[in-house]
Amino acid sequence: NAGVTQTPKFRVLKTGQSMTLLCAQDMNHEYMYWYRQDPGMGLRLIHYSVGEGTTAKGEVPDGYNVSRLKKQNFLLGLESAAPSQTSVYFCASKGGDLMNTEAFFGQGTRLTVV
Amino acid sequence: AQTVTQSQPEMSVQEAETVTLSCTYDTSESNYYLFWYKQPPSRQMILVIRQEAYKQQNATENRFSVNFQKAAKSFSLKISDSQLGDTAMYFCAFMRGFGNEKLTFGTGTRLTIIP
Repeated sequence: NAGVTQTPKFRVLKTGQSMTLLCAQDMNHEYMYWYRQDPGMGLRLIHYSVGEGTTAKGEVPDGYNVSRLKKQNFLLGLESAAPSQTSVYFCASKGGDLMNTEAFFGQGTRLTVV
Repeated sequence: AQTVTQSQPEMSVQEAETVTLSCTYDTSESNYYLFWYKQPPSRQMILVIRQEAYKQQNATENRFSVNFQKAAKSFSLKISDSQLGDTAMYFCAFMRGFGNEKLTFGTGTRLTIIP
């Protein structure tokens, strides 16, 4: 059982380039999230989804777009990367009922924008 | 909006000792959940313990226990008989009880266990 898988694990981009981070979960979870982790700031929510075909903005959505065309996948896009987007990105998923309170995380993607 | 505050950026303790990590939160909700996540150097986020706000009894998981003070909006984590493998970043997190279930994290406490 793979859980939550993020692709890629590491990436270096030049300013202005675009890229897509892929998150895949095999637990049939309704909720999926994208966070970024920066030193001294904890994890901040970028975008999230409460089900297939839905997305919503989180705390720091500017410069990012997301899509959830399939229930198991949640894509995070950077259209024009900036050095301020250098960070570690985490995807997470969670079941949709109140009994499933635990969020499961991917292993993270370290992105450097130069 | 909910906020989670961890006022101890770094802590260190000798192996086998007990250490307590602090967390406070602010919310107007009555139904919610609180969590402690551990992030070792591997970067993987691991759930350590969770607490339902409607439960008065403090949650425990082996060497890990919490002190949940609902009126004071305080949620501290106690690690007993600390081990070298407990060295990690620890994040306190909050989640509303129903609908729009986003996790809000604190800024973390870096805990180092000294041999």
